[in-house]
Amino acid sequence: DTAVSQTPKYLVTQMGNDKSIKCEQNLGHDTMYWYKQDSKKFLKIMFSYNNKELIINETVPNRFSPKSPDKAHLNLHINSLELGDSAVYFCASSRGQGEGEAFFGQGTRLTVV
Amino acid sequence: AQSVTQPDIHITVSEGASLELRCNYSYGATPYLFWYVQSPGQGLQLLLKYFSGDTLVQGIKGFEAEFKRSQSSFNLRKPSVHWSDAAEYFCAVGAGDDKIIFGKGTRLHILP
Repeated sequence: DTAVSQTPKYLVTQMGNDKSIKCEQNLGHDTMYWYKQDSKKFLKIMFSYNNKELIINETVPNRFSPKSPDKAHLNLHINSLELGDSAVYFCASSRGQGEGEAFFGQGTRLTVV
Repeated sequence: AQSVTQPDIHITVSEGASLELRCNYSYGATPYLFWYVQSPGQGLQLLLKYFSGDTLVQGIKGFEAEFKRSQSSFNLRKPSVHWSDAAEYFCAVGAGDDKIIFGKGTRLHILP
């Protein structure tokens, strides 16, 4: 069974569209994250949720809205997509409090054209 | 604020040679430290972690890392690299606030 799964794996869309990426973890972890990896491979945290509550929002444009229906899911919705949103987005989960290692999904490669 | 620095963007070593990837962190308290590896087109896999105790930690695939508080470092080592070790390596710090901060990564190239 995949520990952290995110869908879709690839997403190509036009500017201005709205899209969502889904993430699910079956590890029983309390904390989930979204990271953005740019073309230079730099991994930057976007959001962190603990037990469905937003803990970290790292100055991400409000076009990005995470939603956590339960602690096993953290979806990322993006409105009005821009070219600069093209990146690989990784979902991850951990036990929380920064001390548990994070388990990552395989990533979603988003390409905005 | 906590931060992680990986001073080497690219490292090239010959197959069979030893490897050391550098990582320095900035954090006020004792950090939780990690090394992750990302193979091309893949997600991140944990190599090893340091929480407390023995400052020399062993990980998967023959990797080890040593935590040196005095130098704020957590360098990754392997005595003999294999061609399959070519990948991107990320050092990360967990700061106890549900945040894991990553360095910018070091790309490892292996010469045959």
